[in-house]
Amino acid sequence: NAGVTQTPKFQVLKTGQSMTLQCAQDMNHNSMYWYRQDPGMGLRLIYYSASEGTTDKGEVPNGYNVSRLNKREFSLRLESAAPSQTSVYFCASTSSGRGNEQFFGPGTRLTVL
Amino acid sequence: SQQGEEDPQALSIQEGENATMNCSYKTSINNLQWYRQNSGRGLVHLILIRSNEREKHSGRLRVTLDTSKKSSSLLITASRAADTASYFCATDAMGGGNKLTFGTGTQLKVEL
Repeated sequence: NAGVTQTPKFQVLKTGQSMTLQCAQDMNHNSMYWYRQDPGMGLRLIYYSASEGTTDKGEVPNGYNVSRLNKREFSLRLESAAPSQTSVYFCASTSSGRGNEQFFGPGTRLTVL
Repeated sequence: SQQGEEDPQALSIQEGENATMNCSYKTSINNLQWYRQNSGRGLVHLILIRSNEREKHSGRLRVTLDTSKKSSSLLITASRAADTASYFCATDAMGGGNKLTFGTGTQLKVEL
């Protein structure tokens, strides 16, 4: 099992460009999450999907959109990138039910110039 | 806003010593979890403690939870250089849906 995979690993964008970060999990998990991590800070939730077909905003959703393509895949889109979106992005998943541990991908390091 | 705040922000100890990290949170929780992050990598789950539990052990890890003080501590005994990482607490808040809120983390450095 690959667990949670993310592509790309690194990306440099210019202000105003768009891109999609891809995430996939092979653990048959129902819930998936997108976080961003900035220096000296913990993870902040951008969007999450409690189950296939549903998505909800997290703490910092502005400037992002998501798609839960199927049970395995959850993508994050930046429509018009801004320097403030320079960050490391992590995708995570968990099985249904409360309190289950989250499994994280390796992250995407994004720089917006 | 961050639910959990960790203390200290950074900790440097010698191999073989114990390391203690603390986490405080603001609202009622269903459970609290601790994660580890090696530099440049994703987070890895270490241990979960439920709101009705006071202490839990896993190998060299000991976690305590005091819901009256809204605080938790993570103790790593007999630390090793390989324990060098950042450690985060995360809370599953009551009524918060199936999601976690992470603290700001403690950077642990274990020196030989």
